[in-house]
Amino acid sequence: KQEVTQIPAALSVPEGENLVLNCSFTDSAIYNLQWFRQDPGKGLTSLLLIQSSQREQTSGRLNASLDKSSGRSTLYIAASQPGDSATYLCAVRPSSGNQFYFGTGTSLTVIP
Amino acid sequence: NAGVTQTPKFRVLKTGQSMTLLCAQDMNHEYMYWYRQDPGMGLRLIHYSVGEGTTAKGEVPDGYNVSRLKKQNFLLGLESAAPSQTSVYFCASSYAGGYDGYTFGSGTRLTVV
Repeated sequence: KQEVTQIPAALSVPEGENLVLNCSFTDSAIYNLQWFRQDPGKGLTSLLLIQSSQREQTSGRLNASLDKSSGRSTLYIAASQPGDSATYLCAVRPSSGNQFYFGTGTSLTVIP
Repeated sequence: NAGVTQTPKFRVLKTGQSMTLLCAQDMNHEYMYWYRQDPGMGLRLIHYSVGEGTTAKGEVPDGYNVSRLKKQNFLLGLESAAPSQTSVYFCASSYAGGYDGYTFGSGTRLTVV
């Protein structure tokens, strides 16, 4: 079974700082990896999806990278803003099987 | 807007009562999923469906049943609710194989007293 780990569980940074969130997975045989954002009491909003053949994806101030061989993905957030405060989840889709496996998330607080 | 719609958004049940959660998607996705989210546990798969008329068990299926009579709808049933089923339930859908990732509903917050 794929195990997905996100460290740290919580992160607090001052506004304007660039930051990196980490996601590691145990089985490198993946189909794709997806980063989500979850605001308190809300659903999951997709941020970026990286296919196994890709190294990175970018959307605005967000950049996600994927290194399958080392079982790692990072989500880079540039020039953080208070509105970025949320929990960020990564989910891994193995090459076989029908589901994504989720990490427990990193709770980000951006201090004005 | 296209997407995944869950009803109801909130519900309080007494132990032993039954209820059905409805998930509807209008993206013509083949695959649909039910997850529960609990503090410190992350998202855990309850049941999923790979097409109309099909269902399969996930990681934590006990105490739940599902049905997918129509492609666009996926129902999650609790026959006899227990306090351990207090959770936030999320429905998600994807194209076959998940090549474009998941789309999630906004969740149902269920409390069993």
